[in-house]
This record gives sequence, C-alpha cells and structure tokens, in this order.
Amino acid sequence: SAVISQKPSRDICQRGTSLTIQCQVDSQVTMMFWYRQQPGQSLTLIATANQGSEATYESGFVIDKFPISRPNLTFSTLTVSNMSPEDSSIYLCSVAAGTLDDASGNTIYFGEGSWLTVV
Amino acid sequence: GNSVTQMEGPVTLSEEAFLTINCTYTATGYPSLFWYVQYPGEGLQLLLKATKADDKGSNKGFEATYRKETTSFHLEKGSVQVSDSAVYFCALRNQAGTALIFGKGTTLSVSS
Repeated sequence: SAVISQKPSRDICQRGTSLTIQCQVDSQVTMMFWYRQQPGQSLTLIATANQGSEATYESGFVIDKFPISRPNLTFSTLTVSNMSPEDSSIYLCSVAAGTLDDASGNTIYFGEGSWLTVV
Repeated sequence: GNSVTQMEGPVTLSEEAFLTINCTYTATGYPSLFWYVQYPGEGLQLLLKATKADDKGSNKGFEATYRKETTSFHLEKGSVQVSDSAVYFCALRNQAGTALIFGKGTTLSVSS
C-alpha cells in the first residue's frame, strides 16, 4: 500500500494568485497522477507525472496553468496558476502501487485531497 | 475510447435494504475494474477491485463481479447501513502506466 500526504488540506485563495499543492508518498513510486474534482462532479485527470520526465497533460489542461514538478520518487507538486473561481475544486494526488502482474498491486491510492476555494 | 457509465443517482434506501449500483464500461483490451467510495468530507478510498473476467471483488459486505460478456461491474450489498451513505465511483484502468478513468459517481443515502 501507499500512504499519501497532501498539503494544504484546505485553502481560500484570492483571484489571480497561484497556489502550490504538495504531495508526499511514504514509499517510492514510479507513477503519480493529479486529478481535479469540481463540486458535485467526478474526478478528471489533469496529468501524469513520472519521475525524470515531463508531465503528460490531458486534453483541456496545459502546463502554463498547472505546472507540475516531480523531483524524486516520493514527491510531486502541482501549481494552480492565476486562479479564478472556476478553479475552486478538490485537487487529488494519486499513485500506482505494484504492476498489473502483481496480485497485490495494480491499485491506485489517493491522498486526502486539497480543497481550494477561489474568491 | 475508454469510458465508464454509472447509474444516475441519488439512490435513497432504508437501512437493511438491498443495494445495486450499476456500472458498465467500454475499453480496449482487458481492463482492471474498481469501486471507490467517498464519505462526506473525506478523501477517496478504494472499496474493492477485480483484475480479470469472472473475478469477484469484495469488502465490507460489498461485492462486484467482473462480467466481460456484459462489460459490467455492478456493486451490490445485501443489507445497507446508514454509515454506507457516501458517493460511489466505478473506475477502470486499462493497462499498467495509465491512470484511472472514473464514472460520474452515484450518491447513496441510507436512512434509519
């Protein structure tokens, strides 16, 4: 299993500012993912962040708005830049444990989420 | 492409009632299937999973069977409790190295 800590857990942000969310994992993982969950909605993948390479962004998300760092196998950050009220969401970090061939693996774990409100 | 379709909510039940939340999927290859639960004010938790056809995932009285012929992974529980009130998400993962694809979620409300 993997235990994921996210900071901040909650924040109220001013329009136009940027906020960096930190994700710390208690074990080394290759694959990390960042999701967004807008109020009352499902989870949408923002990007995949593998150590040693540039993050891969999903359609509708761009690096200038959501820059990601992945300096090592246990840590990543997501920045939400130039925030607007539409960015008010829960942002979740997740990691993949094991592989498809690992009977105890192939599970994706989530952090508690960072609940951002932009005013 | 890959997608997950869940039944629309909210689902409202009385305590001890039988629960079914339908989930069907579209995927290339042979995905792994998951149910996640999100309790009010909390983060997402893995409820159960199945990695191949005919596998049954189970946890906390919940069960789901991977049905390849109907591309389904319906969640069931024989007797729900008030504490089961939460949002339930069906998800798939198509292969190693890829992220989860989620359904829209189904809100379950159980009253005593």
